[in-house]
Amino acid sequence: ETGVTQTPRHLVMGMTNKKSLKCEQHLGHNAMYWYKQSAKKPLELMFVYSLEERVENNSVPSRFSPECPNSSHLFLHLHTLQPEDSALYLCASSQDVAANTEAFFGQGTRLTVV
Amino acid sequence: AQKVTQAQTEISVVEKEDVTLDCVYETRDTTYYLFWYKQPPSGELVFLIRRNSFDEQNEISGRYSWNFQKSTSSFNFTITASQVVDSAVYFCALSAGRDGGFKTIFGAGTRLFVKA
Repeated sequence: ETGVTQTPRHLVMGMTNKKSLKCEQHLGHNAMYWYKQSAKKPLELMFVYSLEERVENNSVPSRFSPECPNSSHLFLHLHTLQPEDSALYLCASSQDVAANTEAFFGQGTRLTVV
Repeated sequence: AQKVTQAQTEISVVEKEDVTLDCVYETRDTTYYLFWYKQPPSGELVFLIRRNSFDEQNEISGRYSWNFQKSTSSFNFTITASQVVDSAVYFCALSAGRDGGFKTIFGAGTRLFVKA
């Protein structure tokens, strides 16, 4: 199994829909992250969980709601999204949140909001 | 404030050429870490290297080499004898401070095209 797995790989949703992105890591890491990657923009950190506790929320709109039921799984619940939310959503994990720790990324979910 | 600048948006080379990807960073922390990641078309970012602020020794790994210079706040990445499989987006990143792992700043990335 790959280290970090994301499902679905592609998602098209209407602005009134509710959907969830799933991330699973098989590396025994203690920290998990959601990033947003839009065209021509740097990677944006959205949420960070350390030992299943949210430790960082970079002023993300409430229409994005994360959930971390255990150290191996991370969800991003989506509702009433806007077209500008269309992007590649990347999940990552790392051993911990220390500055010297590299992250392992999933392949992302390509989200299109119509 | 911390910042990472990758001034080259896209680079196109022919196979077997050498290519250098530039990365300039800004931080007030004296202890920090610099990273390079590769993002192939499949989407996931792949970790390539980490360098801490106290170690300016250059590193070589196969066709890859990294030149870290604190005097110019740069951490450049060179691919020697490029191959088509090197085509990807490359990101430079900076982490600093306590629990800096969740304050990692990424550059905008450099898209490298290697033509056969």
